[in-house]
Amino acid sequence: EAGVTQFPSHSVIEKGQTVTLRCDPISGHDNLYWYRRVMGKEIKFLLHFVKESKQDESGMPNNRFLAERTGGTYSTLKVQPAELEDSGVYFCASTDGNLYGYTFGSGTRLTVV
Amino acid sequence: QQPVQSPQAVILREGEDAVINCSSSKALYSVHWYRQKHGEAPVFLMILLKGGEQKGHDKISASFNEKKQQSSLYLTASQLSYSGTYFCGTGNWAGNQFYFGTGTSLTVIP
Repeated sequence: EAGVTQFPSHSVIEKGQTVTLRCDPISGHDNLYWYRRVMGKEIKFLLHFVKESKQDESGMPNNRFLAERTGGTYSTLKVQPAELEDSGVYFCASTDGNLYGYTFGSGTRLTVV
Repeated sequence: QQPVQSPQAVILREGEDAVINCSSSKALYSVHWYRQKHGEAPVFLMILLKGGEQKGHDKISASFNEKKQQSSLYLTASQLSYSGTYFCGTGNWAGNQFYFGTGTSLTVIP
């Protein structure tokens, strides 16, 4: 079974530019989550999809962040325009349900300079 | 909502034991444990759902207290491969909320 795949693995962009992160969850997993870890600190929840619907986006920092999940399959997270404080590692995770653990992707390390 | 972990960091010698605690002010529906090595994805270790539950595999086990407000992760006879950051996490019954704990950095030295 393929795991959760994230692309790109690294991205370095200048302040003010746009970046789009992609996550392909495990096939059949309805629940998809985005998290961010900044500067080795705790992992912060960003948002949760159930299929194509946003179930909870209370963790999204501001309106510069836009997440979509087309057709309930892969998801994208766009940051526009990027700011320095957006730097960090963005993780995607999927799960088959609340009784199971989450499978994480390897993350996208975003550096805004 | 975010569980608090203690200690924040611990350094062990190979073969020593460690306990990592995860506490919440409210009863938790579930508690997960993950380990993350530098530059890698967090890896699921185990999930506990019931108060009083204990489970584990090999030399890593965890407990969930009766009130479901505290969980502990036990690492016995630590190995170098145990190094990493350990996170507890908690979700609700609907599965639409999940929050990670504050993390514990564990370093095992020879």
